[in-house]
Amino acid sequence: KAGVTQTPRYLIKTRGQQVTLSCSPISGHRSVSWYQQTPGQGLQFLFEYFSETQRNKGNFPGRFSGRQFSNSRSEMNVSTLELGDSALYLCASSPTAGPTDTQYFGPGTRLTVL
Amino acid sequence: ILNVEQSPQSLHVQEGDSTNFTCSFPSSNFYALHWYRWETAKSPEALFVMTLNGDEKKKGRISATLNTKEGYSYLYIKGSQPEDSATYLCAFGNSGNTPLVFGKGTRLSVIA
Repeated sequence: KAGVTQTPRYLIKTRGQQVTLSCSPISGHRSVSWYQQTPGQGLQFLFEYFSETQRNKGNFPGRFSGRQFSNSRSEMNVSTLELGDSALYLCASSPTAGPTDTQYFGPGTRLTVL
Repeated sequence: ILNVEQSPQSLHVQEGDSTNFTCSFPSSNFYALHWYRWETAKSPEALFVMTLNGDEKKKGRISATLNTKEGYSYLYIKGSQPEDSATYLCAFGNSGNTPLVFGKGTRLSVIA
């Protein structure tokens, strides 16, 4: 089975621009979660989607949004980029959305905002 | 806000040493505790999921224990090897409809 894929792997943007990141889950997985990781911080939860519905949203400003498609692929969008948005963005998929489900992580997208 | 604490933040051990680190989590509404290993330039990889008080899991030289009543889990590595160098993350799942909460991790460096 192919693993979780994320595109692009690296991205450089300037302040004020917007960006869209993509995540393709493992085949058959219906839940996708997004995390932000910055130096000194743990994985900060952004969103969780299950069957095209947002189940949970983390404590991030409205500039961060996401969606999930019928094939379970997910995208997240960040508008009006700020320097502090520079981070590694990870997505993870799981078969369902339960707390005992193992999450399978993608390689991440490294976003640099200049 | 649920808080998951991991200690120590970082650890340097010699090859062959055994080591352990701690994950502390809220003891109420416990549902699951996950351990992940995150090697540099790779994706976090699942080690264990534990759900029952007193659970012990083992994978090769790595094992974990769980105490849900007092809210902690230990991860043990026996005879550390350089390839064990990684950041070890724990994540707490509660019984509500809430996402996993990750600790900041323990960064282990094994010196040959």
